[in-house]
Amino acid sequence: GAVVSQHPSRVICKSGTSVKIECRSLDFQATTMFWYRQFPKQSLMLMATSNEGSKATYEQGVEKDKFLINHASLTLSTLTVTSAHPEDSSFYICSAGQGANEKLFFGSGTQLSVL
Amino acid sequence: DQQVKQNSPSLSVQEGRISILNCDYTNSMFDYFLWYKKYPAEGPTFLISISSIKDKNEDGRFTVFLNKSAKHLSLHIVPSQPGDSAVYFCAARRSGGSNYKLTFGKGTLLTVNP
Repeated sequence: GAVVSQHPSRVICKSGTSVKIECRSLDFQATTMFWYRQFPKQSLMLMATSNEGSKATYEQGVEKDKFLINHASLTLSTLTVTSAHPEDSSFYICSAGQGANEKLFFGSGTQLSVL
Repeated sequence: DQQVKQNSPSLSVQEGRISILNCDYTNSMFDYFLWYKKYPAEGPTFLISISSIKDKNEDGRFTVFLNKSAKHLSLHIVPSQPGDSAVYFCAARRSGGSNYKLTFGKGTLLTVNP
């Protein structure tokens, strides 16, 4: 099946710093990618839809200036958590869909810990 | 407002027996339902899906049942195997919406004991 690679898998940073997470579709082109956040024992919450070549669409309550999304190519989307704070500590997962297939393919996730 | 609910945070079954994971939804606009399986420190992987025009879909050991009137679906795994131990997420998609925009439940941790 399709492969989505996410990097890094784990990052620990100091409060106030910025962290960039990469999401790549390895064997297919993804015009749309999605970024989710999961808190412990909670569901996957969609944060934003990343569209290649245009601005991302953010879900209600998600600060677009804090979570910067760039989808510069058909195989790469990045999420930058700017000025991270401890409350941003979470598991972030990206996903991509292939063609008209509604079966999303997920990255392996990034565990962000902000000290 | 949790539109997709998985009320059992965990389930433990014996190897070889049936595992039944339940999911309820509140939004009548959902027309497509999916189950994803997730191991620790990994992203979810697609398991099985069902359209609202059906009431059952089977794939090997996995069967999903949909009861639209009750807004309820369930995933049956039989026989259960230790390798099935994981968190299972139920997800739903709205009719007319993006093919990829899904609403997830909180997940159920399944433990299959040898």
